[in-house]
Amino acid sequence: DTAVSQTPKYLVTQMGNDKSIKCEQNLGHDTMYWYKQDSKKFLKIMFSYNNKELIINETVPNRFSPKSPDKAHLNLHINSLELGDSAVYFCASSQGYQAALYFGPGTRLLVL
Amino acid sequence: QQQVKQSPQSLIVQKGGISIINCAYENTAFDYFPWYQQFPGKGPALLIAIRPDVSEKKEGRFTISFNKSAKQFSLHIMDSQPGDSATYFCAASKGGSARQLTFGSGTQLTVLP
Repeated sequence: DTAVSQTPKYLVTQMGNDKSIKCEQNLGHDTMYWYKQDSKKFLKIMFSYNNKELIINETVPNRFSPKSPDKAHLNLHINSLELGDSAVYFCASSQGYQAALYFGPGTRLLVL
Repeated sequence: QQQVKQSPQSLIVQKGGISIINCAYENTAFDYFPWYQQFPGKGPALLIAIRPDVSEKKEGRFTISFNKSAKQFSLHIMDSQPGDSATYFCAASKGGSARQLTFGSGTQLTVLP
């Protein structure tokens, strides 16, 4: 069983389009995250979210928005895609305030 | 502002050798120091972690050494194997929380057969 899954695995799109990435975790964790990994492999947190609180990294453009239909899902919506959005996006989850993060396999986004 | 500095950026080691990756941090409020391992095309996975009340933690061939006064910690991989070839990230957290996790810039390790 996959603990944290993401779809799609690859996403190629044109600049200006709007796209979504879906994430699901079956670990029963109460906190989910979105991370961006750039071409130099640097990992940057974008959002953390549980049913009480959304924490947004202040450097994330407001074109990015997380949406959580329920505790096991956290989707990422991106509006007006730009070339600089090309990266690998990882969903992750953790339980409460425990520090172990469980990452999904990543979504490779290429904006042309 | 890079709160966790990792070196080297890349490392090549012969099979059976010792791989050493170093990290330094600035924030004395950090109290949890994990290492993550990432294979190509995969997400990072927790490898080993340490809290500042101990100076060393060993799990199999992987050891974390921690120097609180120097604000440094390192990952040692003994008897390195080609299967260890991956990117390794150190990280640090305040309050032991994943929400407060700050990652280093990563080290790409290649173990030659």
